[in-house]
Amino acid sequence: IVLTQSPATLSVSPGERATLSCRASQTVSNKLAWYQCKPGQAPRLLIYDASTRATGIPDRFSGSGSGTEFTLTIGSLQSEDVAVYYCQQHNDWPPDTFGGGTKVEIK
Amino acid sequence: EVHLVESGGGLAQPGDSLKLSCTASGFDFGKSAINWVRQAPGKGLEWVSTISASGGTAYYADSVKGRFTISRDNSKNEIYLQIDSLAVEDTALYYCAKLPTIGGYFEYWGRGTLVTVSS
Repeated sequence: IVLTQSPATLSVSPGERATLSCRASQTVSNKLAWYQCKPGQAPRLLIYDASTRATGIPDRFSGSGSGTEFTLTIGSLQSEDVAVYYCQQHNDWPPDTFGGGTKVEIK
Repeated sequence: EVHLVESGGGLAQPGDSLKLSCTASGFDFGKSAINWVRQAPGKGLEWVSTISASGGTAYYADSVKGRFTISRDNSKNEIYLQIDSLAVEDTALYYCAKLPTIGGYFEYWGRGTLVTVSS
């Protein structure tokens, strides 16, 4: 399974919505996770099972989709949301498929 | 609170061996499968290996099979990654990450330990 994320870089004004896409080469049902990665920090699980927020994740982060098309939405971008975001399929074992990442920056 | 702390990284030469460690706390370690995931400089995330809760089963990415060995000591809450025949392409930040009880996503991560392979 290949996961393709778009765009590679997303520039969004503070307070505006950010929409990130992840497309799978074959169906992964709803078994898709999203992670936030910042330099010097542990990566953080945001969403699993396509739309379930992980513990402690603010509700401005939401996930949707099933099958092969998935979206991560940051409802109102904050400065602390600047990061690289990765999707990962967890339908097949081993869980070895990550997308190439989307870098979110402040416009 | 869940904590995963990696150690053992450093500078090595091609062909050397290195052993990474991951010390865990804040959860029932003996009931959790643990993974190693790496990130080469400027690149994305790459799953490397998984070890089952008991340590009886291990999985490896094709890119590391035969050179990497994952193990665990449940009495010490520690996971290890033995890396043999290091190659320049093994240069990366190595993270350990915990799987949930049910599911194949990475629930918690450490901050990583950097392995640099250079002659």
